[in-house]
This record gives sequence, structure tokens and C-alpha cells, in this order.
Amino acid sequence: SYVLTQPPSVSVAPGETARITCGGNSIGSKSVHWYQQKPGQAPVLVIYYDSDRPSGIPERFSGSNSGNTATLTISRVEAGDEADYYCQVWDTTVDPRYVFGIGTQVTVL
Amino acid sequence: QITLKESGPALVKPTQTVTLTCTFSGFSLSTDGVGVGWIRQPPGKALEWLALISWDGFRRYSPSLESRLTITKDTSGNQVVLTMTNMDPVDTATYYCVHRGVYGSGSHPFKYWGQGTLVTVSS
Repeated sequence: SYVLTQPPSVSVAPGETARITCGGNSIGSKSVHWYQQKPGQAPVLVIYYDSDRPSGIPERFSGSNSGNTATLTISRVEAGDEADYYCQVWDTTVDPRYVFGIGTQVTVL
Repeated sequence: QITLKESGPALVKPTQTVTLTCTFSGFSLSTDGVGVGWIRQPPGKALEWLALISWDGFRRYSPSLESRLTITKDTSGNQVVLTMTNMDPVDTATYYCVHRGVYGSGSHPFKYWGQGTLVTVSS
């Protein structure tokens, strides 16, 4: 089955840049979506179709996808960005299914 | 404005069947490309997709749980129901109802989520 690999945690100082990777076999050929989840809340879509931002999501959030790695980049990190971030794809390699990564906890120092 | 809200029992016993209802508004499940699905999250763990029903009635299930899941849409047009059989304590999780829309090319995201409902499986 298709596996998405994310680092369990990323720490970043305020004002710096956080990069969260999502690894998967030929993930560059798939559409990747990213969700932000704060404690006790439902996830929020922050990047879709690899690099598009839904309305209301700050321009500080950006995404890229190529080869075997997709990346969510948060520029000029703020305390309010502290959350878990999940990548997600639709995989048709064997049995079609939606797949999520394990999530990356972003800590703002 | 698209909203989704989950409802169902907060506590079920092992081996029981749970029925979860998603009541939504702000869109039609008859619109081309639209889908409503279910995603769960055990406490402190990652998100796991369970099932999705599309505008054309096509159903998709997580291969690992397919034998236990049934997703349907009711005739009123604004509810989707998920049943999961043979519940086990490992199924304890927050269950989210989600809207899948079409916003671009490629596979489509879950842009709208319900608040989630916690289902605890315990005797």
C-alpha cells in the first residue's frame, strides 16, 4: 500500500521558515493536499493541488511537489502556526484509497 | 456557506454496530464531482480515511475496513450515513464528515469538515 512519510516534528523560531516534507513513491505525479490541525479542532485545508492556497489562507503558506517529495513551506512563522500538519493524496496504485501522512507537529520556539 | 455536522452515539459496546449521520447544508450531493466522506482520528493519532460517496452514488471504502463499512445517502438529499459493524476498542476515535469538492485538476481535497464526533468503544 502507498505510504506517505512525514517527520514527526519540526521546530522553528518565530519569523523563520518551516519546511515540512511528505515523501512518497513518485508523489510528484499525484495531487497533494495539506491540512493544518490545532488541538481540539477539525483540520483546515491550507494547500491544495500541490501549491494552491484556499481563500483566507495567508500567503506565508506555500507548497511544492516534485519527484518523491512534496513540501509545505511556512514563511515568517508565527506562534499561531503551531499545529499538526498532514499531507494527503489519492492513491490508485493497488486498491484506490485516500492516504494521509502521519502528521508533523510544528513547534514555534 | 457549506456546513457539515456529525451525530451519533458517544459510547458503544464492543461487537455492536454504530451508525453515524452527517447532516450537511450549502451544497447538493447531486452536483457533478461532489462527494461526502468520513475520516476518523484516534486520540493522539493520525487521520484515517474511511469511506466516500459521490454525486453519482459511487461508493469507495478503505480497503482495510471495507468489510465493516457501509455509506449511504438518504432520499432527503442532505444526509449521509455511515455504519460500521463489529466495533472494537481500537475504533475509539473522533469521526469527521467531510466535503470533497472540485477546485482544480487532479484528485480533489477535503475542503470542508464537520466538527467531529467522538465515539468511544467500551464495555
